[in-house]
Amino acid sequence: DSGVTQTPKHLITATGQRVTLRCSPRSGDLSVYWYQQSLDQGLQFLIQYYNGEERAKGNILERFSAQQFPDLHSELNLSSLELGDSALYFCASSPQIGSYTEAFFGQGTRLTVV
Amino acid sequence: QKEVEQDPGPLSVPEGAIVSLNCTYSNSAFQYFMWYRQYSRKGPELLMYTYSSGNKEDGRFTAQVDKSSKYISLFIRDSQPSDSATYLCAMSAGGATNKLIFGTGTLLAVQP
Repeated sequence: DSGVTQTPKHLITATGQRVTLRCSPRSGDLSVYWYQQSLDQGLQFLIQYYNGEERAKGNILERFSAQQFPDLHSELNLSSLELGDSALYFCASSPQIGSYTEAFFGQGTRLTVV
Repeated sequence: QKEVEQDPGPLSVPEGAIVSLNCTYSNSAFQYFMWYRQYSRKGPELLMYTYSSGNKEDGRFTAQVDKSSKYISLFIRDSQPSDSATYLCAMSAGGATNKLIFGTGTLLAVQP
């Protein structure tokens, strides 16, 4: 158990809908990363938050947004869902930024858009 | 062109074989190099970490980084069926984000 908790584990929804994925980082970790994993693209970096502030953006669609709350948990919001958004969404957390620190991954949320 | 390239496999080897997994990259700013292991339907977990060029050994696993060639490798000696998983290389430039850039992963099957 990495200590990173993601909910829900599975989500099935229809095209055009909006969903929210939740991530609770390890205790004390300030940095949260979101990744999307699909069969043909591997793990794609979406966005990073550090202590409540957005720190880096990757290949995140405009239909997607995220935030990190004062208690450091994070939510990834996906709207106007399309079939191609079906993927595993992972959250990772690490204690700090700057020099290397290990990133710990949650078990992921499997999103299926039908 | 992707920043990190990795042969997706699949790779099938007999138990006891030496496995070699490789990644190439294009961003010379990367200085932290990692290998993650991911079992089916689970989150990735860190296997090895190397800073800059050089070798690092941990039990049956050896990680190598050649920054001049922009090439990293993971060797698994005496492979076991329990090593069957997807192996992902990951890299970071550190600094203000520490975000990890992953390869696509290589699916390894070790046959008993």
